[in-house]
Amino acid sequence: SYEVTQPLSVSVALGQTASISCGGDNIGTKNVHWYQQKPGQAPVLVIYGDTNRPSGIPERLSGSNSGNTAILTISRAQAGDEADYYCQVWVTSGGRVFGGGTKLTVL
Amino acid sequence: DEQLVESGGGLVQPDRSLKLACAASGFTFDDYAMHWVRQRPGRGLEWVSGISWDGGETGYADSVKGRFTISRDNAKTSLYLQMNSLSAEDMALYYCVKAGDRLLGDDPLHIWGQGTMVTVSS
Repeated sequence: SYEVTQPLSVSVALGQTASISCGGDNIGTKNVHWYQQKPGQAPVLVIYGDTNRPSGIPERLSGSNSGNTAILTISRAQAGDEADYYCQVWVTSGGRVFGGGTKLTVL
Repeated sequence: DEQLVESGGGLVQPDRSLKLACAASGFTFDDYAMHWVRQRPGRGLEWVSGISWDGGETGYADSVKGRFTISRDNAKTSLYLQMNSLSAEDMALYYCVKAGDRLLGDDPLHIWGQGTMVTVSS
């Protein structure tokens, strides 16, 4: 089965740039979607199709995907960006696969 | 506004059954595939099952295949999940989720409900 790997945690200083990775075999050939989940809330789609932002998502959030790694980048990090972030791909044999999630801490 | 409201969660004994429901509003329900995603306490997200716009195609995670059945009633704009032979591993918050396309495929999960909690315990 296809596996997707994320770091457990990432820390970033206020106003700086955070990068959250999502690793998988040839993940660059797949569409990667990213979700943000704040404590006690349902997940929210923040990036879809590797690089696209839904309406209402700030430009500070961006995505890239190449080779074996997809990356969610959060520029000018704010306290309100603290959340768990999940990447997700689709596999023909097994439906949708989520990464284990990354907890972003803004210092 | 697009809205999904789950119901049907609760306390259930091991090996018993439970049926979840999701009421959709604010969008054309039968234009979209729908999914169930769960989250065990303190854990990450796990896709459980999906169904195409007309119910003609369904998919299940290996962990629930043969025990769970997804269905929908487009006339009632509702999604369902019949869960049988429940175990402690099924204890989780179950989210109803709207996809971005009619068929099961590589589209993102756009809209999420607030979830309904399923507790499995004797």
